[in-house]
Amino acid sequence: DAKTTQPPSMDCAEGRAANLPCNHSTISGNEYVYWYRQIHSQGPQYIIHGLKNNETNEMASLIITEDRKSSTLILPHATLRDTAVYYCIVVPGGGATNKLIFGTGTLLAVQP
Amino acid sequence: DAMVIQNPRYQVTQFGKPVTLSCSQTLNHNVMYWYQQKSSQAPKLLFHYYDKDFNNEADTPDNFQSRRPNTSFCFLDIRSPGLGDAAMYLCATSRDMASGETQYFGPGTRLLVL
Repeated sequence: DAKTTQPPSMDCAEGRAANLPCNHSTISGNEYVYWYRQIHSQGPQYIIHGLKNNETNEMASLIITEDRKSSTLILPHATLRDTAVYYCIVVPGGGATNKLIFGTGTLLAVQP
Repeated sequence: DAMVIQNPRYQVTQFGKPVTLSCSQTLNHNVMYWYQQKSSQAPKLLFHYYDKDFNNEADTPDNFQSRRPNTSFCFLDIRSPGLGDAAMYLCATSRDMASGETQYFGPGTRLLVL
């Protein structure tokens, strides 16, 4: 399974864009990149996922590099409620499983 | 419009006293998962049910069991809780297990072992 590397922590000013990087240099061609976040003492929350193309939804944008070895999650206008641990997870492809193997994640602190 | 429900949110048990945590879902999903999350650590998958088929992770201790009596409910049984089993227990569901299927998590039950 492809492993991911994320910075342990990041700060972002409220109202500014938060850009969270993730390195997954050993990703295989059919493996998805998923992003979840976990606000303190709550269950993880799905944010977005992608395979090759950039993706956008109401919560965030996911930018995947052309070689797929890294990605960036963008929260366009961060609020205090976005303070959480953000997990970048590579899910094995081939259609057989969607098991999530969580890494250490990035603690994003949105500052007022 | 809660989708994955876990009750209670906090559970206290005594060392060695069996405890059951419950999870229910309104999504009619085929797959239900149980994760353990210890303090300051990431969630770790214990096992999952695909419909009625139980799938245990290789490193899940025998002390942990699960039951799924119907599509909506899934239980986590800890037969003899030790102090090291104090953690947040998270239930999740997904429609299927194919790559690209999203997992939806409940709020978790925090277990305290005295």
